[in-house]
Amino acid sequence: EIVLTQSPGTLSLSPGERVTLSCRASQSLSSNSLAWYQQKPGQAPRLLFYGASSRATGIPDRFSGSGSGTDFTLTISRLEPEDFAVYYCQQYGRSPYTFGLGTKLEIK
Amino acid sequence: QVQLRESGPGLVHPSDILSLSCSVSGGSVSRSVFYWAWIRQPPGKGLEWIGTISYSGSPDYNPSLKSRVTISLDTSINQFSLKVNSVAAADTAVYYCARQRSDGHFYYMDVWGNGTSVTVSS
Repeated sequence: EIVLTQSPGTLSLSPGERVTLSCRASQSLSSNSLAWYQQKPGQAPRLLFYGASSRATGIPDRFSGSGSGTDFTLTISRLEPEDFAVYYCQQYGRSPYTFGLGTKLEIK
Repeated sequence: QVQLRESGPGLVHPSDILSLSCSVSGGSVSRSVFYWAWIRQPPGKGLEWIGTISYSGSPDYNPSLKSRVTISLDTSINQFSLKVNSVAAADTAVYYCARQRSDGHFYYMDVWGNGTSVTVSS
């Protein structure tokens, strides 16, 4: 099973700041088969990126995804109030498909 | 635009069978470009993939749950379903259904239902 380690666990930031979230895989991901999701309280996860860097429909361009192999990042160039949420990475290239434990972005 | 909606009982007794359905609107479950998945999230915790079924009805399960889980596809009513046997308190969670689509290599989850909360308690 591929283990995904997300860091940090929690980040306290202010609107307007830039943030980079990390996701490290225990094995190299074939074809960069990594997705990022945003989840707000009481809501389902929302797809942000697939293939590590392909932005999903409707996702603002202040969000960017990058990385390959075992190391991946999600960057938000300028935080908006609606961006404070929990972010999960997930690998979908090898069953069982696994998720990281998430990074919580909270307002400072 | 495709929409997914979970349905099923909100309360299940220990050792009973949990049965959930996912209704798909705006698209066919039998299209070859899509797979269909179940994911769950215990209260205050992260996401766990339960299993996936292909458009042709071939399932793939998380080994941690494989002995207790069945996922099936009903193309006649455009739904797919989840059964979990012998439930316990640890199965209490919000259960999500999701569509998986291909990125050219593998299948990622692009559309999710709103989720349905299931509590296992006597």
